[in-house]
Amino acid sequence: GQNIDQPTEMTATEGAIVQINCTYQTSGFNGLFWYQQHAGEAPTFLSYNVLDGLEEKGRFSSFLSRSKGYSYLLLKELQMKDSASYLCAVRDGGYNKLIFGAGTRLAVHP
Amino acid sequence: EAGVTQSPTHLIKTRGQQATLRCSPISGHTSVYWYQQALGLGLQFLLWYDEGEERNRGNFPPRFSGRQFPNYSSELNVNALELEDSALYLCASSLGEWKLTGNTIYFGEGSWLTVV
Repeated sequence: GQNIDQPTEMTATEGAIVQINCTYQTSGFNGLFWYQQHAGEAPTFLSYNVLDGLEEKGRFSSFLSRSKGYSYLLLKELQMKDSASYLCAVRDGGYNKLIFGAGTRLAVHP
Repeated sequence: EAGVTQSPTHLIKTRGQQATLRCSPISGHTSVYWYQQALGLGLQFLLWYDEGEERNRGNFPPRFSGRQFPNYSSELNVNALELEDSALYLCASSLGEWKLTGNTIYFGEGSWLTVV
């Protein structure tokens, strides 16, 4: 089966660091994506991992461990505008489709 | 460069009617994906088209169908609308050829379908 798990909600303080975890069990694996989605808007691409390790892109970093079926998104120096849902998605190996988790709603407080 | 464009932005239909949603991919992209996002729920994969052919479909009934045109634009048709079809329908596009560096899927702004 296919299963992607993320925490439903998280809260953090402006200026702090937050880590959003994602675990997955899929029939195939051909990369893991993180998307940001503000309420009522389309998801926007944040990061992509296909090999184990850390990918850093400004205030955002994403980590992947394929053997553990685990990824996390790290957000540093949090800003109020980072309040959004963060979607973990796995590309199913042979079928070229993204399977999405339910998303993690992050609320950043002053 | 224009992103993925979808129309209409909002659509209201009556139960039992048909809805048609349209999508134009990013220039150069040959793969088009359709996702449904019901209120408060995650993105559910509907359909994937590449080079004019349906390559894969999600776990949705046959009344959800679509096609991809020679210019790679696509339309999603939902027949015999039901109340639970009310959702945001997102179209996304990517390069058709898979590469190790990954062909990121880019989303349009979506079409809100309300069934009353």
